[in-house]
Parts: sequence; C-alpha cells; structure tokens
Amino acid sequence: NAGVTQTPKFHILKTGQSMTLQCAQDMNHGYMSWYRQDPGMGLRLIYYSAAAGTTDKEVPNGYNVSRLNTEDFPLRLVSAAPSQTSVYLCASSYRGGVDYGYTFGSGTRLTVV
Amino acid sequence: GENVGLHLPTLSVQEGDNSIINCAYSNSASDYFIWYKQESGKGPQFIIDIRSNMDKRQGQRVTVLLNKTVKHLSLQIAATQPGDSAVYFCAEMSTGNQFYFGTGTSLTVIP
Repeated sequence: NAGVTQTPKFHILKTGQSMTLQCAQDMNHGYMSWYRQDPGMGLRLIYYSAAAGTTDKEVPNGYNVSRLNTEDFPLRLVSAAPSQTSVYLCASSYRGGVDYGYTFGSGTRLTVV
Repeated sequence: GENVGLHLPTLSVQEGDNSIINCAYSNSASDYFIWYKQESGKGPQFIIDIRSNMDKRQGQRVTVLLNKTVKHLSLQIAATQPGDSAVYFCAEMSTGNQFYFGTGTSLTVIP
C-alpha cells in the first residue's frame, strides 16, 4: 500500500513549456485533489475530482486535469508561467475528507524560469 | 476562500514541555476541522480531527480544543519530542465539502 505517489519530485521548466504532474493512489479513494503550497499562503485548492470520469469545478487558467480512472489524477501545466512556481500536492480521500481528512503525496516542487 | 489563520508563524519549545498551537477561523458555518503535521520534504499528515458538535477531542499525546464562540481552534501536544518538529496546519470544512487551510505554524523542539 503506497498511498499517494507523486512524480516527479522536482522539476525545472522554462516559461511557455508544458508538462504533466503525475499523481496515483492505491487506496480506492473516490476524491482526489490538487493543491499548491506557497510560502506564507497555506495550501490553495487548484482542482478536485469526486470520482473517476467526473470533473467538478471549472479548471483554473493554465491548468488541465483529467480523471480517466480511480487511481490516476494528472495535472497538466499547459504553458508554464513563473507564477506557477510552487510545490504541488496531490491528495485523496474516501468521502471528500469528512473522515480522517486527506492523504497527501510528498509533492512536486516545480520551478518555472 | 476562507480566512483561516494562525496566531504565530513560529513556535519553539523545550523537549518535554507541552506545546500549544492556535488557529482562528472566520466561517461560523464550518463544521469539521483537522490538524495536519508536515515534515520537511513530505506532504501534510493527518493528526486529529474534531466536529463542531464537540469542544474537545484527545488522541495520543495530542488534544484539539474547539471554541465556536470565538471561532478558535488549538492543538496541544503533550511532552513534546524532537520528532514533533514540523509545520502544523489547521484546516476547516464548511459548505461544499471543501477544506480551507491555514498558513501553518513551524514548531521547533529544542533538545
């Protein structure tokens, strides 16, 4: 049982390039979320999916998400900007976090130059 | 988003002492709260939760207190150990099943 696995752990991207941050969980959780974590800002929600095949809110500009199956929840940066430099955390939960909260991955530290 | 803040960004305590980390929230409709611990290079880890129909909940060496009157949440760690050094976040959930996180308090345990 690996929990939530995120890859890569670190990455440097040039402005305008695109990349996909990978997130996978093996706990059969329905809910999966992406947060970004910036110094002094706490964790800010980017997007969440309540179940495979569903998208539950408008995707913020600069990002693209997909939830083709229960296990995987990739986050794509379409055309990276320096403002997207951050630590990206993926989380999953059984019922939207109402019991025992979220299980988080270790994060992807992304720098856009 | 919600205004979930912490009173102090950093806290230093002597090993063996008790630690108290505070959190203020602004939404009186919030009904579920969680404390997370985040060690360097890792994601946040669940510590303890509390629902709005309770004012106290205890775990192993940790106690969460909820004061809904003043919208205040605290985490007490008994007999603080070096392994407790981390950043601690509170999170609240209100409508829409969304969590809003505070900015975090960095706890340093002095041996």
